[in-house]
Amino acid sequence: QQQVKQSPQSLIVQKGGISIINCAYENTAFDYFPWYQQFPGKGPALLIAIRPDVSEKKEGRFTISFNKSAKQFSLHIMDSQPGDSATYFCAARVTGGFKTIFGAGTRLFVKA
Amino acid sequence: DTEVTQTPKHLVMGMTNKKSLKCEQHMGHRAMYWYKQKAKKPPELMFVYSYEKLSINESVPSRFSPECPNSSLLNLHLHALQPEDSALYLCASSPGTSRETQYFGPGTRLLVL
Repeated sequence: QQQVKQSPQSLIVQKGGISIINCAYENTAFDYFPWYQQFPGKGPALLIAIRPDVSEKKEGRFTISFNKSAKQFSLHIMDSQPGDSATYFCAARVTGGFKTIFGAGTRLFVKA
Repeated sequence: DTEVTQTPKHLVMGMTNKKSLKCEQHMGHRAMYWYKQKAKKPPELMFVYSYEKLSINESVPSRFSPECPNSSLLNLHLHALQPEDSALYLCASSPGTSRETQYFGPGTRLLVL
């Protein structure tokens, strides 16, 4: 079964702190791993994405770390800001297809 | 233009009504998707159209009927829905092959009474 497991379910971080969200997958038939940010009442928006042949990708305050052998990947948000408060979904795209499997989501709250 | 638009933003319908949701993109994308999202849950894939042909149907009940009139438009026709179908319906598009980002619209908030 194709699954992506995401943790924690919710996260509270002080302003300026580091937010860390972890995901793990079981099936190796994935070839693209995007992270989406969703604000209430809005559609998900791509935050950052990584391919399995790369171990780390950084874009501004957002970094993805990818461990292919462990089938794990994580999102680090440096210098977290109240405006980062949102729900974050990790996802994995099925190789050669159009199907994307989403993690359950992490609700992040950054305290001012 | 990197936007996926959806209309209406909100929809309230009775169980005997027929309504349609509309999605539009002008990015030249050749794959378009319908997702259903319940509160505090991730999006669930319903349908995928690739080059205007239905590519994936995730065993969705027949009361949901997708239509792709052209490469820029995607409709979702609704008929005889149930209250449990109340959700945020999201449309997305992607260029047309795997390993590509999906761009989501803002969604239509549907309430079935």
